[in-house]
Amino acid sequence: AQKVTQAQTEISVVEKEDVTLDCVYETRDTTYYLFWYKQPPSGELVFLIRRNSFDEQNEISGRYSWNFQKSTSSFNFTITASQVVDSAVYFCALSEAPGTYKYIFGTGTRLKVLA
Amino acid sequence: GAVVSQHPSRVICKSGTSVKIECRSLDFQATTMFWYRQFPKQSLMLMATSNEGSKATYEQGVEKDKFLINHASLTLSTLTVTSAHPEDSSFYICSARASRAEHQPQHFGDGTRLSIL
Repeated sequence: AQKVTQAQTEISVVEKEDVTLDCVYETRDTTYYLFWYKQPPSGELVFLIRRNSFDEQNEISGRYSWNFQKSTSSFNFTITASQVVDSAVYFCALSEAPGTYKYIFGTGTRLKVLA
Repeated sequence: GAVVSQHPSRVICKSGTSVKIECRSLDFQATTMFWYRQFPKQSLMLMATSNEGSKATYEQGVEKDKFLINHASLTLSTLTVTSAHPEDSSFYICSARASRAEHQPQHFGDGTRLSIL
């Protein structure tokens, strides 16, 4: 069965600290996609990254980086030099392909960056 | 690009009222739209998947007659909460994806906060 686990319910860091948000997934498919979304207090979900199961390259986008490891079924997200504006709930999601393109969301990690 | 507009952003109404929420893809054609419900401090729960021109597929436990979904065009899907009651109060979010051909990400609307008195 598909499952996404975000074990960290809430994380608090002080501004400029680095922080890693964990995501562990379960799937029987060999082809699947993983996503990260940010949900700020205003409520909208902002797309951050998509990664397919055949691409294990790590990715960096500014202060954001992602580490995808199939061997451990993990897709972790690191924010370097965190800022107050990074405060939000972050969701990891899994989608299998081909299929209905539905997402299985993790329960989210609430990140609080303190000034 | 990939902007999804959801309207209204907030609704407060009396019990028994039917409420319609619109979800529009502004700069792309959405072959598939999704409707989610989110309770405070919880994850998103998929309610239904809507494909243009066909009936929506509802998730188990979601009442079809309670939550009416219409996806009449490639840029618009609506969710109508019929005869809403206080337990229907929640945050409803739609999303849209552009193409069946590739595994495009879902792009989300800003959500609608529904409060039933």
